Amino acid sequence: GEDVEQSLFLSVREGDSSVINCTYTDSSSTYLYWYKQEPGAGLQLLTYIFSNMDMKQDQRLTVLLNKKDKHLSLRIADTQTGDSAIYFCAPADRGSTLGRLYFGRGTQLTVWP
Amino acid sequence: EAGVAQSPRYKIIEKRQSVAFWCNPISGHATLYWYQQILGQGPKLLIQFQNNGVVDDSQLPKDRFSAERLKGVDSTLKIQPAKLEDSAVYLCASSFPGVYEKLFFGSGTQLSVL
Repeated sequence: GEDVEQSLFLSVREGDSSVINCTYTDSSSTYLYWYKQEPGAGLQLLTYIFSNMDMKQDQRLTVLLNKKDKHLSLRIADTQTGDSAIYFCAPADRGSTLGRLYFGRGTQLTVWP
Repeated sequence: EAGVAQSPRYKIIEKRQSVAFWCNPISGHATLYWYQQILGQGPKLLIQFQNNGVVDDSQLPKDRFSAERLKGVDSTLKIQPAKLEDSAVYLCASSFPGVYEKLFFGSGTQLSVL
C-alpha cells in the first residue's frame, strides 16, 4: 500500500493564503486528489492533478506537484471561514485495482475571522 | 442530481450485536465503495463493487464483515458480531464508469459500539 503523510493542523487568518502539504511513497501514482470534509459530512472532491503536471490552478486553489520528492501541496488563496474543514490528500493507485485511493490522516484547517 | 444516500445516520449497539448499513449510489454510477473512517484517521477502503461484482475486498475483515450489492444498485454492509474497534464512520461512495477516482461520498453512518 501507499503511505500518505500530512501535518494534522493548520490555522490561518481570514484573507490569508493557506498551504497544506502532503508527502506520499508510491511513485506510480498517476492521479493525485484533494478532498475536503466538513463536520458530519462525507468527503467532497476539490481538485486533482495528473502526475505529468507540475501545477494546476482552479479558481482559488493551486496544486503543486514535485514528483521527484513525492510532495504535493494545496494552496488556498484568500482563505475564508467557510474553508474551515479537514483536507485529505489522496494519491490514486492505478495498479491492480482501478481507482484505489489512499488517504492520509487529513489536515484540519481552521480559519480565524 | 441526488447524491449518495446512506442510512441510518447514527447507530449505537453493544459489542457482539449485529448491525447493517444501507447505501443508494448516484444513478448510473457502476462503481460503489464502502470506506471505514476511524476518528482522527483518513478513510480506509473496505470493499469495492463494479456493478454487482466485487473488485477488491482485500481489506474487509471477512470473519465479521459482509457486503452485497444485489442488482448492481443498492448495497448493504453488515457487521456480525461487532467489536469495540468497529466504532467508526462508514462511508459509501460511488463513481462514474471509467472515472473511478472521482468519488462522490454519502454523509456516512456513525457507528458506536459500547
